[in-house]
Amino acid sequence: EVHLVQSGAEVKKPGESLKISCKGSGYGFMSYWIGWVRQMPGKGLEWMGIIYPGDSDTRYSPSFQGQVTFSADKSISTAYLQWSSLKASDTAMYYCARGYCTKRVCYYFDYWGQGTLVTVSS
Amino acid sequence: SYDLTQPPSVSVSPGQTASITCSGDELGDKYVSWYQQKPGQSPVLVIYQDIKRPSGIPERFSGSKSGNTATLTISGTQAMDEADFYCQAWDSSSVVFGGGAKLTVL
Repeated sequence: EVHLVQSGAEVKKPGESLKISCKGSGYGFMSYWIGWVRQMPGKGLEWMGIIYPGDSDTRYSPSFQGQVTFSADKSISTAYLQWSSLKASDTAMYYCARGYCTKRVCYYFDYWGQGTLVTVSS
Repeated sequence: SYDLTQPPSVSVSPGQTASITCSGDELGDKYVSWYQQKPGQSPVLVIYQDIKRPSGIPERFSGSKSGNTATLTISGTQAMDEADFYCQAWDSSSVVFGGGAKLTVL
């Protein structure tokens, strides 16, 4: 059975760095893209980008390019989302999801993690 | 940037049919997926590639598309179907989500 398990909730101060994780199991982790999706409180889903763990090929949404960094460690089937300097506006729930994608198109996300709540407050 | 437009809210009586639309430029040329998100839960894929239903999703959920409008239809709507629904497509190297439609079963 496919599972994506994300790291726990985080409370950080503005300017701090953060790295959250998403561990896949039950499928060939290297062979599927992992997408990251933000959901701000009371708002809709926003696509942040995708990473292919097999070769770390990465695509960022223009809205998030330069704001976050994706990485993956295929040896432990884990993808990461990190910030170098958090802002209060980064407060949100962050989901990872397995993407049914090619190098050119991402069609859908069939399995989702439970989400990581990030709170940034002074 | 590309936009997918959904109605903010849809209401339906139990046992009736609910239809949630999603429109966008040239959507007829793109695959559309639909996600259900209940309060406090992660999104769940309910329709992919316009009309396909993942295993485990009840048959009352169906997808269709006509021109540049995709529709998620829930037949025999149940109270448990109350949730936010998001459509999603791919455009210009980006995944795009609709703004979401809140389905109320009353």
